[in-house]
Amino acid sequence: DAGITQSPRHKVTETGTPVTLRCHQTENHRYMYWYRQDPGHGLRLIHYSYGVKDTDKGEVSDGYSVSRSKTEDFLLTLESATSSQTSVYFCAISAGQGARNEQFFGPGTRLTVL
Amino acid sequence: KNEVEQSPQNLTAQEGEFITINCSYSVGISALHWLQQHPGGGIVSLFMLSSGKKKHGRLIATINIQEKHSSLHITASHPRDSAVYICAVRRNFGNEKLTFGTGTRLTIIP
Repeated sequence: DAGITQSPRHKVTETGTPVTLRCHQTENHRYMYWYRQDPGHGLRLIHYSYGVKDTDKGEVSDGYSVSRSKTEDFLLTLESATSSQTSVYFCAISAGQGARNEQFFGPGTRLTVL
Repeated sequence: KNEVEQSPQNLTAQEGEFITINCSYSVGISALHWLQQHPGGGIVSLFMLSSGKKKHGRLIATINIQEKHSSLHITASHPRDSAVYICAVRRNFGNEKLTFGTGTRLTIIP
């Protein structure tokens, strides 16, 4: 599992509240990713990071921000949660380089916004 | 049109049958991944391919770069193979990002 943990694993919150999800890795990988998974859409990239303090947007970044102040932690923040952000969120890392690059996923966080 | 298309979307088969799941893509890629997700579970990487064929146990993955097509085969299928199988591609010059298909839900009946 490449030492990836996510917290919390489940969260229920109300519309308009801020929410922060944490991804933690233990193997010093450079690339980290946040995805959301919704029925009919597959996994979609929200934001990714290619190093400490180096982040970039994915295809569904509106309403989300991220921070990476140290190699092992990648935080995803919903500044003001909306019902459309109800989803399962997966963190992932890339291990290896070039042709040996594989992605490993965390266990997921199920977020419900009421 | 999605850049990564999988077929079929759903597949039900009897235990022991040979299973094929297909993935077609429309962009230039440096690698293709096959992932497995059990109901309520996490996502596990099965294969990463850039050419040819790979085999692991009863699973075989092939890729044809010229035709932009990959297949995942399962021999002697078993109920524990029931899961969603996801194809993902890593684009050329894509900064290590993946683009995913919507998955194929496989159900193996005992």
